[in-house]
Amino acid sequence: EAQVTQNPRYLITVTGKKLTVTCSQNMNHEYMSWYRQDPGLGLRQIYYSMNVEVTDKGDVPEGYKVSRKEKRNFPLILESPSPNQTSLYFCASSGTSGSLSEQYFGPGTRLTVT
Amino acid sequence: AQSVTQLDSHVSVSEGTPVLLRCNYSSSYSPSLFWYVQHPNKGLQLLLKYTSAATLVKGINGFEAEFKKSETSFHLTKPSAHMSDAAEYFCVVSDGDSWGKFQFGAGTQVVVTP
Repeated sequence: EAQVTQNPRYLITVTGKKLTVTCSQNMNHEYMSWYRQDPGLGLRQIYYSMNVEVTDKGDVPEGYKVSRKEKRNFPLILESPSPNQTSLYFCASSGTSGSLSEQYFGPGTRLTVT
Repeated sequence: AQSVTQLDSHVSVSEGTPVLLRCNYSSSYSPSLFWYVQHPNKGLQLLLKYTSAATLVKGINGFEAEFKKSETSFHLTKPSAHMSDAAEYFCVVSDGDSWGKFQFGAGTQVVVTP
């Protein structure tokens, strides 16, 4: 089944403890992206990747890191999480550059930072 | 620069009546426009997209949207609401010269009453 998977689905952590949220797609998509969803703000793009080893900042990259060493994986790293990073996070992938194509979204990761 | 405004944060309709969700956008180049739907505790699913072909776009589940360049609008409509249409809807824009970058609207919550 074609899908985008994220792990973990739920995570509660403490301020300053490094964490990684994994994202993997099995559709051989070139484009991948991370978003955070907060009430009343919709989804905001954190980082995106046009292909392996090519990443770029979205609108809210501060406090996050990404890497794209393999086509299928696009992990999101929070080096020192803070409470304002408590949010619902979505990973997405697309078959081309993304601007013209449908994005396929993962199920989301709910992160709480205390 | 690109931006999108969803003019209603909540819309309540009766089952069987028309649905109208309003979206205005700002784009410095030929935009691609999308509508996504998010059902409770689920990921996002594409309803339809506009990519400079026909201005009237038909999507899944009876939804359609019309691209009006003069009004910078991309409103979503459905002639007859169904209970299963209760969800949150997001209008999304991507500039033609900002490959990979997407701007989501804040979302419109749709409530369908029997």
